[in-house]
Amino acid sequence: AQSVTQLGSHVSVSEGALVLLRCNYSSSVPPYLFWYVQYPNQGLQLLLKYTTGATLVKGINGFEAEFKKSETSFHLTKPSAHMSDAAEYFCAVKLGQTGANNLFFGTGTRLTVIP
Amino acid sequence: GAVVSQHPSWVICKSGTSVKIECRSLDFQATTMFWYRQFPKQSLMLMATSNEGSKATYEQGVEKDKFLINHASLTLSTLTVTSAHPEDSSFYICSAPPGQGAGELFFGEGSRLTVL
Repeated sequence: AQSVTQLGSHVSVSEGALVLLRCNYSSSVPPYLFWYVQYPNQGLQLLLKYTTGATLVKGINGFEAEFKKSETSFHLTKPSAHMSDAAEYFCAVKLGQTGANNLFFGTGTRLTVIP
Repeated sequence: GAVVSQHPSWVICKSGTSVKIECRSLDFQATTMFWYRQFPKQSLMLMATSNEGSKATYEQGVEKDKFLINHASLTLSTLTVTSAHPEDSSFYICSAPPGQGAGELFFGEGSRLTVL
């Protein structure tokens, strides 16, 4: 079975400060991991994904995440927060290449950026 | 890139009526689509997997007679909320994988249902 845990339902940072959103996963097989962003009343937009290969993945809008197998983590970071980054962020896991295509989502982290 | 479109974005209906939500893959074919439900300030919960040409697969606890899913073609899946009640009010989001082994899902814009 697979699951995703996002620590912190709400994170506040000042504009220009580092953004760190935490995600830990559990999976019995090598996982595919994703970060999605959701703006109010909209669907989800893919920020980045890890499937295989390089463990540090870069996504859109300056975000990146590092897959750490030893820590079962896939934390999302951005060096400098912008006001437009305020949104809900979801970490998700898929059962690798051979698993079903549906994703399991964490409970989400709401990012607030303080001017 | 792959685009998934949902319609309508907003719908308000009276209790007891049925509402249909459409999910279309605009530039790719999707043999499988997923329907999620999202309550306010909560995560997405998978409701069902829509399969083109066959019956949908429902997650445990989801009433298949209330949430009718039809995947009529390789680019269209519909979710019909039958005899809607206020507790069915929610944000419904569909998604589809853009290709075999691609991993990620592409999501529609979501449909907010309010049942009066």
